[in-house]
Formats: sequence, structure tokens, C-alpha cells
Amino acid sequence: NAGVMQNPRHLVRRRGQEARLRCSPMKGHSHVYWYRQLPEEGLKFMVYLQKENIIDESGMPKERFSAEFPKEGPSILRIQQVVRGDSAAYFCASSPGPGRDQPQHFGDGTRLSIL
Amino acid sequence: GESVGLHLPTLSVQEGDNSIINCAYSNSASDYFIWYKQESGKGPQFIIDIRSNMDKRQGQRVTVLLNKTVKHLSLQIAATQPGDSAVYFCAENNWGRDALNFGKGTSLLVTP
Repeated sequence: NAGVMQNPRHLVRRRGQEARLRCSPMKGHSHVYWYRQLPEEGLKFMVYLQKENIIDESGMPKERFSAEFPKEGPSILRIQQVVRGDSAAYFCASSPGPGRDQPQHFGDGTRLSIL
Repeated sequence: GESVGLHLPTLSVQEGDNSIINCAYSNSASDYFIWYKQESGKGPQFIIDIRSNMDKRQGQRVTVLLNKTVKHLSLQIAATQPGDSAVYFCAENNWGRDALNFGKGTSLLVTP
């Protein structure tokens, strides 16, 4: 029973480059969530997706950030023209149904470092 | 604004003792609560959850207590072990939203 798989585990980018973070949910899970965690802080919600649909993107920055969850393949969180402030751990979670009444299961994250 | 917060940033307990980690929330509409454990370099690991129609739920060595009157949540760990050393987060959501709202976390250190 594979859990939520995220890759890469570590990603280094220079300012102005693009970062692509991938997330494969647990088998049978069609709901995916992305969170960001700064050092010694809790996780902050970014976006919630179901297959081919963005359900809630209230936590996403208005510019440079986008997310998708295509019919086939993993969910992608894309950050364009990265800046130093984007350095953080990005976690993906999945659930079999809406997250309002069942636990979300997390991957081990992608640590993004911006030089 | 609405928030989920923890009373203490760090907690040190001796191996074999019971641990209690507390959490306050401010949104009276919150109806689902989860405790997660996060070890260094890993993602949050689900421990136990509780819905607002309950005030207590037990798992293996863990108990969650919910006091809706004072908007307080606690996680009790019985016979704490070195492997319990981690950061513990409470998280909540309210009806109509699927996103979890996390507190900052309590670091639990278990000493021999």
C-alpha cells in the first residue's frame, strides 16, 4: 500500500527559474491538497483539487503559482519565476473523499531551496 | 481572525510518563479535528481524529479530548516512548471547507 508519493524530495532553483513539484495520491484517492510549511511553523493550505478540477485555491498566491491534477498522472504544483521567499517545504495530501470529514494523508514533502 | 494555536511550544517528558499536548481553537464552526505527528524530514502522520459530536476518542496509547465550551482540544499519550519524540500539530476544519487549518505545533521530547 503505497502512501502519497512526492518528488523530488529536494529541489534547488535559482531566482527566476521555474519549480515543478509532483504528487501522486494514495491508491483510490481522488482528492489532493497542497500545503506549504515554513521552518518551525504549521502547514498553510494552498489549494485543493479533484481530478481535472480546482475546488478551492483560496490559499494560493495570486501570481506565479498554479496547480493541476490531470485525468492521468500526478498532481503538479508549479511555481514560476521563483524568489527567495518561495523557499519552504511543500506537502501534498490526499483523501478518498472531501477533506471536511475524513483525514488527509500526507507525503514526505518537497524541500524547495532558492539560491 | 480564526486560528488554531497551541499553548506550549515545547514539552519534555520522561520515558514512561504520560504526555498531554493542548490546543485551542477560535472558530466555533469547527466540527472536525485531527492530531498529526511530524518527525524531522517527514510529512505529518495521522494519529487520531474527532468530530464535534464527540468529546472523547481513544486509540492505541492515545486519547483525544474535545471541550467545545472552551474550544479546547488535547492529545494524551500514555506511557510515552522515545519514538514519540516529534512535533505534534492539531488541525481543524469547519463545515463547508475541506482545507485543514494547522496550529504551529508542540515539540515533544522524551528523555530516558
